[in-house]
Amino acid sequence: EVQLVQSGAEVKKPGESLKISCKGSGYSFTSYWIAWVRQMPGKGLEWMGIIYPGDSDTRYSPSFQGQVTISADKSISTAYLQWSSLKASDTAMYYCARLIHSSGMRWFDPWGQGTLVTVSS
Amino acid sequence: QSVLTQPPSVSGAPGQRVTISCTGSSSNIGAGYDVHWYQQLPRTAPKLLIYGNNNRPSGVPDRFSGSKSGTSASLAITGLQAEDEADYYCQSYDSSLSGWVFGGGTKLTVL
Repeated sequence: EVQLVQSGAEVKKPGESLKISCKGSGYSFTSYWIAWVRQMPGKGLEWMGIIYPGDSDTRYSPSFQGQVTISADKSISTAYLQWSSLKASDTAMYYCARLIHSSGMRWFDPWGQGTLVTVSS
Repeated sequence: QSVLTQPPSVSGAPGQRVTISCTGSSSNIGAGYDVHWYQQLPRTAPKLLIYGNNNRPSGVPDRFSGSKSGTSASLAITGLQAEDEADYYCQSYDSSLSGWVFGGGTKLTVL
């Protein structure tokens, strides 16, 4: 079974750093792009960026460029999303998702269960 | 404001048919990029519902169907059931942004 399992919920203070993870299993981790998607409380889905674990090629949404860093460790089939200095506005649920690329089409499946990040003083 | 526009909410009685629209532009849906749909049940992660405009993954009932025309797409749900109550999101690719875009989501209420 293809699965993405994310790290647990985090509660942080403004200015702190954070790295959350997404571990893939049941498929060749290095052969599929992994995306990160933000969902702020009561809001919709926003694509943040994407990484190809095979060579760590990374792309960012203009809205998130410079705000977060996406990385991967293919030796342990894990992708990461990190912040160097959190803000209260980073409070959200963060999902990772595998990109399927087939016949020119690109969609996300499956999704991780989500990591809730709460930033509060 | 999302790049793809969806109605905030739709509703229908059990057994009825509802549709959810997704309107884009010439840099995404109108450019020929495919549309995909996700269902997000309360307090759960999104789940793929329709891929490639009108294809259902294994396990998705044939009550769900998708279509695309011009700069818009639609998700149709027939024989509405209480368990269909969820948020639905469309997704495509945008060449101007060089990235993936989502609709703002539509909350389906089963009356």
